[in-house]
Amino acid sequence: AQKVTQAQTEISVVEKEDVTLDCVYETRDTTYYLFWYKQPPSGELVFLIRRNSFDEQNEISGRYSWNFQKSTSSFNFTITASQVVDSAVYFCALIVGTTDSWGKLQFGAGTQVVVTP
Amino acid sequence: GAVVSQHPSWVICKSGTSVKIECRSLDFQATTMFWYRQFPKQSLMLMATSNEGSKATYEQGVEKDKFLINHASLTLSTLTVTSAHPEDSSFYICSARVPGITNEQFFGPGTRLTVL
Repeated sequence: AQKVTQAQTEISVVEKEDVTLDCVYETRDTTYYLFWYKQPPSGELVFLIRRNSFDEQNEISGRYSWNFQKSTSSFNFTITASQVVDSAVYFCALIVGTTDSWGKLQFGAGTQVVVTP
Repeated sequence: GAVVSQHPSWVICKSGTSVKIECRSLDFQATTMFWYRQFPKQSLMLMATSNEGSKATYEQGVEKDKFLINHASLTLSTLTVTSAHPEDSSFYICSARVPGITNEQFFGPGTRLTVL
């Protein structure tokens, strides 16, 4: 069975601080994809990144960076120099390649990020 | 990019009535769509997988007679909550998958259902 764990329920930071969101996943499949989504108060999911299991390169996009480590089954997300607009719930998610669940997204519980001025 | 719309964006109804939510892929054909439910301060839970031209596949614990899904065309899937009750109040989100690309889904903006 697949599982995504986001142990941090809520993280509060002051603007300009860095914040790291943890994501640990479980799967027996060798082919899988990991995602991060942002859900602001409006509710609409915003896609942030997709990473496949064969690509362990870390990625940076502006103030966002991701650290994928297969050895620890983790796909952590860091926001550098946080801003108030970063306040949202962030979800880590997993798609695996087994026939019976191909294409089904397994979401973590989400981490609420609160950035105060 | 691929755009998915949902209608209505919010709905308030009386207990016992049925509510239909539409999910449309606007600029691509989606043979597969997914329906999720999200209760306040919780994660998204997959309810069912909707395949064009065939019956939907429901996740364990989801009542197929209560949540009717119809995927009659390549751009439209509908979710009907039948005989809605207050406990059905939730945020319903659909997503659509581009044919041949199994590792990506495009999400609709969601529908907030409140049952009085």
